[in-house]
Amino acid sequence: DTGVSQDPRHKITKRGQNVTFRCDPISEHNRLYWYRQTLGQGPEFLTYFQNEAQLEKSRLLSDRFSAERPKGSFSTLEIQRTEQGDSAMYLCASSLAKGARETQYFGPGTRLLVL
Amino acid sequence: GNSVTQMEGPVTLSEEAFLTINCTYTATGYPSLFWYVQYPGEGLQLLLKATKADDKGSNKGFEATYRKETTSFHLEKGSVQVSDSAVYFCALRGAAGTASKLTFGTGTRLQVTL
Repeated sequence: DTGVSQDPRHKITKRGQNVTFRCDPISEHNRLYWYRQTLGQGPEFLTYFQNEAQLEKSRLLSDRFSAERPKGSFSTLEIQRTEQGDSAMYLCASSLAKGARETQYFGPGTRLLVL
Repeated sequence: GNSVTQMEGPVTLSEEAFLTINCTYTATGYPSLFWYVQYPGEGLQLLLKATKADDKGSNKGFEATYRKETTSFHLEKGSVQVSDSAVYFCALRGAAGTASKLTFGTGTRLQVTL
């Protein structure tokens, strides 16, 4: 068990460019979550998958954001036409769905800076 | 909706001092409660959790008790170390059958000095 991994760890881009982040969950975890964390704040929920199905999306997730988990394993989060307000840490977490005992384990995050 | 309120930081303590970080929540039913810790430049690590009222979560000398009557989950440690310096987040997940996403507080920065 190698934990949740995310790639890249850091990304600098210019406003208007598209970026894509990848998350590899703990193997056999069927749920995968994306959160966004801005400086000095707690993480905010963006979206989550159970297997390959996207079950919930936050209102924070504008039309420029899209997430996929095509085979129920790794997931990608794409931001189109980036804006400076998208600068944040993007965190991925995975879990095994088991009711009240479900625990989410987080990856190291991808820090995005939009210039 | 669900919400979590944490005491504002930073909290600055001398090594071996007693630590309390307050956390209260608003949620319907019986949520699960968590403390996560974030070291500089890293993601969140689960510190401890409690899934039902009066449960006590504990790990690495830290403890927190799920108090339904006061809707609280305060984090305590009897003797802090310099290596405990980090940001601590209280979080909840809604009761079983409701949303599985985590709702976080704003975090409390702890700085421990020699």
